[in-house]
Amino acid sequence: SQQGEEDPQALSIQEGENATMNCSYKTSINNLQWYRQNSGRGLVHLILIRSNEREKHSGRLRVTLDTSKKSSSLLITASRAADTASYFCATDGAGGTSYGKLTFGQGTILTVHP
Amino acid sequence: NAGVTQTPKFQVLKTGQSMTLQCAQDMNHEYMSWYRQDPGMGLRLIHYSVGAGITDQGEVPNGYNVSRSTTEDFPLRLLSAAPSQTSVYFCASSYSFGGYNEQFFGPGTRLTVL
Repeated sequence: SQQGEEDPQALSIQEGENATMNCSYKTSINNLQWYRQNSGRGLVHLILIRSNEREKHSGRLRVTLDTSKKSSSLLITASRAADTASYFCATDGAGGTSYGKLTFGQGTILTVHP
Repeated sequence: NAGVTQTPKFQVLKTGQSMTLQCAQDMNHEYMSWYRQDPGMGLRLIHYSVGAGITDQGEVPNGYNVSRSTTEDFPLRLLSAAPSQTSVYFCASSYSFGGYNEQFFGPGTRLTVL
């Protein structure tokens, strides 16, 4: 079963606009990660936020985590056509040492129009 | 560093045939995983390994075998291919240090079972 549920399933915006994607999950976690997948390629890690963190920034990316609501959001500011890709959240379950055993959401397809 | 490499990139099998998908990493990562990705879905974990000689099942292990004789290699064997195994397969590796387990993905193997 999918731990993470993402919405929207698809998002279409113009260059320069901000894009926000949301992820909800069901069980407690050690950390939550976001990945990008360009069409026909493997996944690329974007950012990791630990369960005791509430917000994290990396360049044009801002991630928030609300463990009480079991949800996270990824904000991409000033989007570019090159940001067009699928974005996935992935959770690492709690309960001690992580074993690289992530559970992925179904993803959000982001299209940025020039 | 080559990172995570996968071979072959494409494969077509007939029902009942067996084959091995190869995965190798040169980052000295302890943890390695195999995922499958079906259209419109996120990644689902097939098998994973926390080190040489240690493997365990993920969410969808049926029809697949793995072994881990070295740190570098983590092959995935399809015992008797079925059309339901048509998918894109991704291998990933990670370290785990203080709960930071960013995964590095290979480029994927696109498998079609006729």
